[in-house]
Amino acid sequence: EPEVTQTPSHQVTQMGQEVILRCVPISNHLYFYWYRQILGQKVEFLVSFYNNEISEKSEIFDDQFSVERPDGSNFTLKIRSTKLEDSAMYFCASRSTGRETQYFGPGTRLLVL
Amino acid sequence: KQEVTQIPAALSVPEGENLVLNCSFTDSAIYNLQWFRQDPGKGLTSLLLIQSSQREQTSGRLNASLDKSSGRSTLYIAASQPGDSATYLCAVVDSNYQLIWGAGTKLIIKP
Repeated sequence: EPEVTQTPSHQVTQMGQEVILRCVPISNHLYFYWYRQILGQKVEFLVSFYNNEISEKSEIFDDQFSVERPDGSNFTLKIRSTKLEDSAMYFCASRSTGRETQYFGPGTRLLVL
Repeated sequence: KQEVTQIPAALSVPEGENLVLNCSFTDSAIYNLQWFRQDPGKGLTSLLLIQSSQREQTSGRLNASLDKSSGRSTLYIAASQPGDSATYLCAVVDSNYQLIWGAGTKLIIKP
């Protein structure tokens, strides 16, 4: 069964460093999402992406964040200058069309020191 | 602004019992509602999706209901097993097709 994959599974970085989180959505899906979950808190929407551009973004998704689909398979989330409060689990999701469910990857646990 | 609330926050029941998890949302203008399972430190597994026009969905021992007008959904788990222990998350898809999440119910099934 097709699945969403994410790399790396864990990343530790120093405050101020740039990180890139990678996702490979399900191949025939057209809509892509990033969510984050700070330890012990709710899952939060960050951004949605369709047709090579951002569809929606939340207040969390400020100028330090960017997304890209550099080729036909990868979908990346870049954090330019990480802060301590960026430490969280980041989930990628994709869906096909209409009212289909979003399929989630296993997440990347980011720890900013 | 859509708010999703789940009660209880935690629930512990003996194996074999039937149980109900509750989810409420403040804005009835939703596309659909989904129930997810999250195991500790792991990803999110979609369990059931209920379209806004539907009243319930069933998958195996799981049954989810939706009452959009009152802003409520329930997840019914029949004949609970220790492997059902996890956090169960409710999320609604709003008018911008964003998933808005509840905080989850942590379920422990005691053998």
